[in-house]
Amino acid sequence: DAKTTQPPSMDCAEGRAANLPCNHSTISGNEYVYWYRQIHSQGPQYIIHGLKNNETNEMASLIITEDRKSSTLILPHATLRDTAVYYCIVRSPNFGNEKLTFGTGTRLTIIP
Amino acid sequence: GAVVSQHPSWVICKSGTSVKIECRSLDFQATTMFWYRQFPKQSLMLMATSNEGSKATYEQGVEKDKFLINHASLTLSTLTVTSAHPEDSSFYICSALRGAGTDTQYFGPGTRLTVL
Repeated sequence: DAKTTQPPSMDCAEGRAANLPCNHSTISGNEYVYWYRQIHSQGPQYIIHGLKNNETNEMASLIITEDRKSSTLILPHATLRDTAVYYCIVRSPNFGNEKLTFGTGTRLTIIP
Repeated sequence: GAVVSQHPSWVICKSGTSVKIECRSLDFQATTMFWYRQFPKQSLMLMATSNEGSKATYEQGVEKDKFLINHASLTLSTLTVTSAHPEDSSFYICSALRGAGTDTQYFGPGTRLTVL
């Protein structure tokens, strides 16, 4: 699976949009970009995933560049409960190879 | 939907004893489940991949005789830490894959194991 690079930490003011970048320059054509977050002492929570098109759900938006070498997760109106470590993971869609490899992620702190 | 539970949420045991952790997919069937371990201030490390009805596949460096995995049904996988030692103290997290291929892994809440 392709490796990802994320900034170790970011701050965002409550109520503002949080934009979390991720570089995945070695991504293969059929690999998906997944985002999870982990609030302290809990299991990771699925946020969103995409292949090449931008995606949006009730939690966030995912913007993937045209060359697919980077992406940005957008939390439109950050709240204190969004404070967590956010993981960007590239994953193969192939049957039998669905495992996730977690990097160090970005620790997002929402400031009141 | 897509709820995964773990039991117990925390456990304290004496060195040398065995501990079993259960992982259940509550509202979907999971042919594949995964077990991760997370030490303090570190990221999740995959330990093994568990497929229903077959032997688990362990990641390099994970002792299969120490971390016994059973995936007897489409909704239950268990991890048994045998002859636990203090260095096995960690946060153990399971995930379940709903479907295959491009479908999503959903994670349990984790089990905090402390070995005295």
